[in-house]
Amino acid sequence: AQSVTQLGSHVSVSEGALVLLRCNYSSSVPPYLFWYVQYPNQGLQLLLKYTTGATLVKGINGFEAEFKKSETSFHLTKPSAHMSDAAEYFCAVKGNEKLTFGTGTRLTIIP
Amino acid sequence: NAGVTQTPKFQVLKTGQSMTLQCAQDMNHEYMSWYRQDPGMGLRLIHYSVGAGITDQGEVPNGYNVSRSTTEDFPLRLLSAAPSQTSVYFCASRRGVSGANVLTFGAGSRLTVL
Repeated sequence: AQSVTQLGSHVSVSEGALVLLRCNYSSSVPPYLFWYVQYPNQGLQLLLKYTTGATLVKGINGFEAEFKKSETSFHLTKPSAHMSDAAEYFCAVKGNEKLTFGTGTRLTIIP
Repeated sequence: NAGVTQTPKFQVLKTGQSMTLQCAQDMNHEYMSWYRQDPGMGLRLIHYSVGAGITDQGEVPNGYNVSRSTTEDFPLRLLSAAPSQTSVYFCASRRGVSGANVLTFGAGSRLTVL
């Protein structure tokens, strides 16, 4: 069975600091991996995705993620946090089952 | 384009009442789905459809019915609402049936069952 684990349900960083949101997955087949963001009272929207090819994936708003097969990880990073990054972030995996979402990480930006 | 439109945005029901959450997309997407979002549990798939006339169960289908008579519409029916169905519901669609394609989400429908 496929699964995804997001470490840390709440993460706080100072404005301008590095953002690191952790995601580990399990899949019996090469996975597709996604990061979605949810702003308050809105639906989810795609930040970035990995399907095949280059393991470092760049997304919108300066976010990027690296697929590390050996570590079964797909951590999301941004070099410098902005107040507008405050949101909930979901990692998702698609192996040989339906798309599975993690439980989410709420990111708070400290002024 | 409007994308994925969900109605209503908010609804309060009493236990045992029935209702339908509406979902419409104008992108000609083959795949449509319904998720529920609960605190600490992420999004869980309720039902999905890969095309008109075809529906299937997801992870948490009990208490919900769906139908797909057109490509555009995918309503979710609660037959007899229970407090456990208090949640935020999201409709999402994507082009084709490949899992690599990106889901487009609606803005959500917040349901409270008393």
